[in-house]
Amino acid sequence: DIVLTQSPDFQSVTPKEKVTITCRASQSIGSNLHWYQQKPDQSPTLLIKYASRPFSGVPSRFSGSGSETYFTLTINSLEVEDAATYYCHQSSSLPLTFGGGTKVEIK
Amino acid sequence: EVQLVQSGAEMKKPGESLKISCKTSGYSFSNYWIAWVRQRPGKGLEWMGIIHPGASDIRYSPTFEGQVTISADKAISTTYLQWGSLKASDTAIYYCAKTGADGNWFDPWGQGTLVIVSS
Repeated sequence: DIVLTQSPDFQSVTPKEKVTITCRASQSIGSNLHWYQQKPDQSPTLLIKYASRPFSGVPSRFSGSGSETYFTLTINSLEVEDAATYYCHQSSSLPLTFGGGTKVEIK
Repeated sequence: EVQLVQSGAEMKKPGESLKISCKTSGYSFSNYWIAWVRQRPGKGLEWMGIIHPGASDIRYSPTFEGQVTISADKAISTTYLQWGSLKASDTAIYYCAKTGADGNWFDPWGQGTLVIVSS
């Protein structure tokens, strides 16, 4: 199975700060890496597909980069509404897997 | 508009059986994979399996193979997740999620079904 390791597990951030979350894959997955946002008591929603392609309607402050085994999700100028847990997900091979999540709290 | 509407919360006893549903609308049900994802209380997302209703193709995570059954009814555009004998460790929110056209990413997700297993 491909293991996705996210870091940090938790981040407390002031509004307008920049946030960077990393996701490392245990083997090469090309660009088959997607990012989701899950706000408290809500279902996850897709932010970024294929490592760097923003999903429709996602604010431009969210961006993704990386390939093979190292990926990042960046939130430029964090807003209060961005308080959530963020997950990476690989679709390179079965079983599909998710990272452990990164909780972003607003200071 | 694509919608996935899941059945309501369930409270069950250990050893009981259960079948929860995910009713879809707004797209061609037979042409897209639908995944099931578990989220235990306060924990992360776990991929359980995926079904392609049109191809009658089902894939399970090794963690869940033999523990649950995924099925679909094309006539009513609904997919199901069922257990033959629940355990307390099955307590979780279960989400269904439609894949994109290429079958790789998930959007949208259902609202989730809370399953509580307790004696």
